[in-house]
Amino acid sequence: GQQVMQIPQYQHVQEGEDFTTYCNSSTTLSNIQWYKQRPGGHPVFLIQLVKSGEVKKQKRLTFQFGEAKKNSSLHITATQTTDVGTYFCAATSGTYKYIFGTGTRLKVLA
Amino acid sequence: GAVVSQHPSRVICKSGTSVKIECRSLDFQATTMFWYRQFPKQSLMLMATSNEGSKATYEQGVEKDKFLINHASLTLSTLTVTSAHPEDSSFYICSAPLIAGSEQYFGPGTRLTVT
Repeated sequence: GQQVMQIPQYQHVQEGEDFTTYCNSSTTLSNIQWYKQRPGGHPVFLIQLVKSGEVKKQKRLTFQFGEAKKNSSLHITATQTTDVGTYFCAATSGTYKYIFGTGTRLKVLA
Repeated sequence: GAVVSQHPSRVICKSGTSVKIECRSLDFQATTMFWYRQFPKQSLMLMATSNEGSKATYEQGVEKDKFLINHASLTLSTLTVTSAHPEDSSFYICSAPLIAGSEQYFGPGTRLTVT
């Protein structure tokens, strides 16, 4: 079945440093979503990418969808302690169900 | 944004008993809802797709007789863990999209502990 891998699994950064998580699929994707889950909380939707090569920005967050629609990335510029949490990509190959990636747990050290 | 609630938030039950978890879309209608299971510090594993008025679609490896799903109305889906065992202890979380294929709104989750 479809597998969605994320790297790295964990990332500790000093506050103010940048952070990037990568999402890779074994199959071509229709679209991809990104979610953030704070410790003890539930996933919260961040963005959806649909087009090949698409780039979207939300303040300090930059999301990218690969040209081949098999990978995606989330980059955070100048991390803050509020960025702590686990970032998941969720991908679909054409159905309405999404398969979640393995997640990247971000810890920001003040 | 849309709101999804879950009840109960925590439940402790004895081995062999059944537990029902409710997932409600509070301010929108959801023809489709999804049920996930999440182990500590791990990803969300899709268990099944709940379809209003029809049978749920289960993912490979998920026992449909073990995890009964009912989606009787456009705002309510229930997951019943039957004859629960300690290995069923987990965080169960539901989600619903406003439109099929769009962003998902997650419930706060239910932590099940089977003793």
